[in-house]
Amino acid sequence: AQTVTQSQPEMSVQEAETVTLSCTYDTSENNYYLFWYKQPPSRQMILVIRQEAYKQQNATENRFSVNFQKAAKSFSLKISDSQLGDTAMYFCAFPRTDDKIIFGKGTRLHILP
Amino acid sequence: DVKVTQSSRYLVKRTGEKVFLECVQDMDHENMFWYRQDPGLGLRLIYFSYDVKMKEKGDIPEGYSVSREKKERFSLILESASTNQTSMYLCASSLGGIEQFFGPGTRLTVL
Repeated sequence: AQTVTQSQPEMSVQEAETVTLSCTYDTSENNYYLFWYKQPPSRQMILVIRQEAYKQQNATENRFSVNFQKAAKSFSLKISDSQLGDTAMYFCAFPRTDDKIIFGKGTRLHILP
Repeated sequence: DVKVTQSSRYLVKRTGEKVFLECVQDMDHENMFWYRQDPGLGLRLIYFSYDVKMKEKGDIPEGYSVSREKKERFSLILESASTNQTSMYLCASSLGGIEQFFGPGTRLTVL
């Protein structure tokens, strides 16, 4: 069965620090995508970053980057120079071949001033 | 930009009422999804639809039904609302199996 596990229910860091959110997953597929979604308080969920499994290079979007370890089935999100606006729930997600997406249970991230 | 809208941000209903949650997307997406989001449980798929009049059960369909009469609109129906259906409901759409685009959510309280 395909699963996604986020082991950190909640985290807090000071503004401007770097924070890493962990995600592990399980699949027998070889080619797939992985996503990190962000859900700010009372706001819409949006896609932060995606990684294609066949690409060796880790994806980067401005201050957001991933550490993708395919063999270990690990997909962590690093936020550099964290800002107050990064406060949100973060979901690691794995799209299946039947067009559904499996979401982790989420990590609630607090950026402290 | 893809836009997914939901009919209400907040809704309060009484036990036993029939509840309709509406979702509309404007990008001609084939797939539409209904999730509920509860603390500590993440997002759980209730139903999804990959075409007009087509629907499939997700992981937690009990107590819910759906309707998709037009491609852009996907409705979630609670036939007889119960207090354990108090939750945040999220609608999403996608073109193919890649990124899903989400609506703002409806926070439903059943008294």
